[in-house]
Amino acid sequence: DVKVTQSSRYLVKRTGEKVFLECVQDMDHENMFWYRQDPGLGLRLIYFSYDVKMKEKGDIPEGYSVSREKKERFSLILESASTNQTSMYLCASSSSSGANYEQYFGPGTRLTVT
Amino acid sequence: AQSVSQHNHHVILSEAASLELGCNYSYGGTVNLFWYVQYPGQHLQLLLKYFSGDPLVKGIKGFEAEFIKSKFSFNLRKPSVQWSDTAEYFCAVMGGGYNKLIFGAGTRLAVHP
Repeated sequence: DVKVTQSSRYLVKRTGEKVFLECVQDMDHENMFWYRQDPGLGLRLIYFSYDVKMKEKGDIPEGYSVSREKKERFSLILESASTNQTSMYLCASSSSSGANYEQYFGPGTRLTVT
Repeated sequence: AQSVSQHNHHVILSEAASLELGCNYSYGGTVNLFWYVQYPGQHLQLLLKYFSGDPLVKGIKGFEAEFIKSKFSFNLRKPSVQWSDTAEYFCAVMGGGYNKLIFGAGTRLAVHP
């Protein structure tokens, strides 16, 4: 069974803290994605990675960075958390091969920055 | 720029009513289209997808969607909703390489018994 896991379901951090969100997939997928989900705005792409050590900015990368040292793991880093980064963060992965372009999502991490 | 527009942000229906959720996209190339669903407290999961061929696509749980190229639309339908269909529904288009998805703002559906 396809599985994407995220390190925390709920996280509370203080303004200015460095925050790490971890995502692991067990499907040997090449592509991994980080989104934030906000009411009325849908999902917006922050960063994605198409291979180990490769990363590309999405639509809203400001204030975030990412790391992909291993194929199965993709980390989202908030260098200095701010209250406007309070949101639900979703990780997803997909294969680059074949005809199955489906993205598989993790359960999400609800981050509150106070 | 590519974008996806979902017409209704909130929809309230009674059980057994018919459902149609609108989705329009703007993208000039070959489109791959998706509907995802997020049930309360659960992760986002694929409802159905269109890549090519028959423009009427059937998905899980009795949902279907019709791709109308001339209208840039991919509306989601279900003839008779159930209380368990209460969820948020997202339309998405794939574009820009690397299987990136562009999502609409989502539609919250509440089905009353």
